Amino acid sequence: AQKITQTQPGMFVQEKEAVTLDCTYDTSDQSYGLFWYKQPSSGEMIFLIYQGSYDEQNATEGRYSLNFQKARKSANLVISASQLGDSAMYFCAMREGPRDSSYKLIFGSGTRLLVRP
Amino acid sequence: GAVVSQHPSRVICKSGTSVKIECRSLDFQATTMFWYRQFPKQSLMLMATSNEGSKATYEQGVEKDKFLINHASLTLSTLTVTSAHPEDSSFYICSALTPDYGYTFGSGTRLTVV
Repeated sequence: AQKITQTQPGMFVQEKEAVTLDCTYDTSDQSYGLFWYKQPSSGEMIFLIYQGSYDEQNATEGRYSLNFQKARKSANLVISASQLGDSAMYFCAMREGPRDSSYKLIFGSGTRLLVRP
Repeated sequence: GAVVSQHPSRVICKSGTSVKIECRSLDFQATTMFWYRQFPKQSLMLMATSNEGSKATYEQGVEKDKFLINHASLTLSTLTVTSAHPEDSSFYICSALTPDYGYTFGSGTRLTVV
């Protein structure tokens, strides 16, 4: 069974500084995808960044980058130059496969980030 | 981009009644949709996967007779919470698999059973 682990229930960061949110995963599949989502208090899920298991370069999307260390099975999210609007819940998620034609996306427990002014 | 519209955003119902939540893909055909449940301050827990024209696949521990999922067309999937009870109060959110194997989420439904 696949598993996503986020060990930081809550994080603080000073505005304009960088912060790293940890994510480790467990899978026996060679093909998988890793996602990060932001969930503000409104509940919507905002896609941030994606990393495929075969991608050799770390993914980057604006202020977001993914530190992908395949051998360690970690996919940490780095947010640079934090802004007050970055305060939210952040979820790491993994899609295995395709396995049995299923593309299930399974989430970690999340990290609540609070950006201090 | 791929958009999924979810309705209603909030619903309050009496214990024992049924509630239907709709997720509609607006600009693409969603052959696969996923339904999640999220309790306050917790993660999204996958309830079931629905594929157009076939029966939904439920995750272990999810009561299929209580949470009825219908995916009758390529643009519409519905979740019906039958005989709702206060413990069913939660945030329900759908997600559609996009043609490029990404995911687009509905805006969620906050269900309160009184």
